[in-house]
Amino acid sequence: GQNIDQPTEMTATEGAIVQINCTYQTSGFNGLFWYQQHAGEAPTFLSYNVLDGLEEKGRFSSFLSRSKGYSYLLLKELQMKDSASYLCAVRDPYDYKLSFGAGTTVTVRA
Amino acid sequence: GAVVSQHPSRVICKSGTSVKIECRSLDFQATTMFWYRQFPKQSLMLMATSNEGSKATYEQGVEKDKFLINHASLTLSTLTVTSAHPEDSSFYICSAREGSEPQHFGDGTRLSIL
Repeated sequence: GQNIDQPTEMTATEGAIVQINCTYQTSGFNGLFWYQQHAGEAPTFLSYNVLDGLEEKGRFSSFLSRSKGYSYLLLKELQMKDSASYLCAVRDPYDYKLSFGAGTTVTVRA
Repeated sequence: GAVVSQHPSRVICKSGTSVKIECRSLDFQATTMFWYRQFPKQSLMLMATSNEGSKATYEQGVEKDKFLINHASLTLSTLTVTSAHPEDSSFYICSAREGSEPQHFGDGTRLSIL
């Protein structure tokens, strides 16, 4: 089975940094993906990790430790437009399906 | 790159109507396309996996006769909700992948059945 956990909600101040953790226990692993979803819209791809370590893409970075079944998404220099739900997803190595966590709603305050 | 187009973005129709949703990969050939539905304040639920030229693979609990999927080419998959009823009202989202690249999502279709 697939078990992917992430916090339900987080609140942070504009300009600050927020770290969204994701832990997973899955029957297979072929990468961990982070998506952003604004209310009423479809998800957009942010970042992914297949190997351990840190991937940096502008204000967003994602980290993976496969031995610990752990990842985080780091959002720096928060902007009001970053208020959204952030979805952690693990990809199956055989059929490439994504198993999603429930999502973390981030609210950025002025 | 990696643009996925989904159409229509919104449908409002009467109960009993069949609704077709199109999903196209615009700048790449999709190895696989996926169909999801999402209820308010919930995460995405995978409905089916679609490969070009073969029958779709449906997730447990998804009625294949209710949700018809056709994957006619490497850039086009369609989902038809047959004889839709109010309980089928939802946000339907497709995604596509090429090789080992990440899945990219269409903009979604908000279906409202009256």
